[in-house]
Amino acid sequence: DSGVTQTPKHLITATGQRVTLRCSPRSGDLSVYWYQQSLDQGLQFLIQYYNGEERAKGNILERFSAQQFPDLHSELNLSSLELGDSALYFCASKGPNYGYTFGSGTRLTVV
Amino acid sequence: GENVEQHPSTLSVQEGDSAVIKCTYSDSASNYFPWYKQELGKRPQLIIDIRSNVGEKKDQRIAVTLNKTAKHFSLHITETQPEDSAVYFCAASIGTGTASKLTFGTGTRLQVTL
Repeated sequence: DSGVTQTPKHLITATGQRVTLRCSPRSGDLSVYWYQQSLDQGLQFLIQYYNGEERAKGNILERFSAQQFPDLHSELNLSSLELGDSALYFCASKGPNYGYTFGSGTRLTVV
Repeated sequence: GENVEQHPSTLSVQEGDSAVIKCTYSDSASNYFPWYKQELGKRPQLIIDIRSNVGEKKDQRIAVTLNKTAKHFSLHITETQPEDSAVYFCAASIGTGTASKLTFGTGTRLQVTL
């Protein structure tokens, strides 16, 4: 157990639908990062939050949005889903030192 | 933004041999370089990391070297074992404060054969 909790583990939904992925960082970590990993691909950075505020943005589609709540958990919202959005979505948290720790991911399948 | 290139994309070695994976980065401001191991369908797991003020770091069979001038870093695995088979990702990070992010390489699929 890495200490980073992601739910749900699996999600199957239809095209055009909207889903929410949830991440709870390690205790004490203020930063949360979201990454997308398509089949047999690398990890693409989507967005970072620090203590409730957006701090860095990557190749995140306009259909996607995220937020970090006062209790530091984060949610990634994916809307108007397309087949190509099927992927593993990872959340990572980072403490005051350098280390990034990943959660177990949410596997999203859009049918 | 930062760009990280990783080679080779696949690597097959015999058990007991060494494996070397190389990465280059583009932004000279990058200051943290971790390596992750990812088994199929699982989360990336940190196996070793190095900071920009260090040239080499070793942890048992795994070592990482960093050449800041050339902007490249490498992972060395000695005495490979079948359980080392996985996809390995290098990454580079800029910033230690509240707005840092990891940029990953494209991954190397390592297969250790008996």
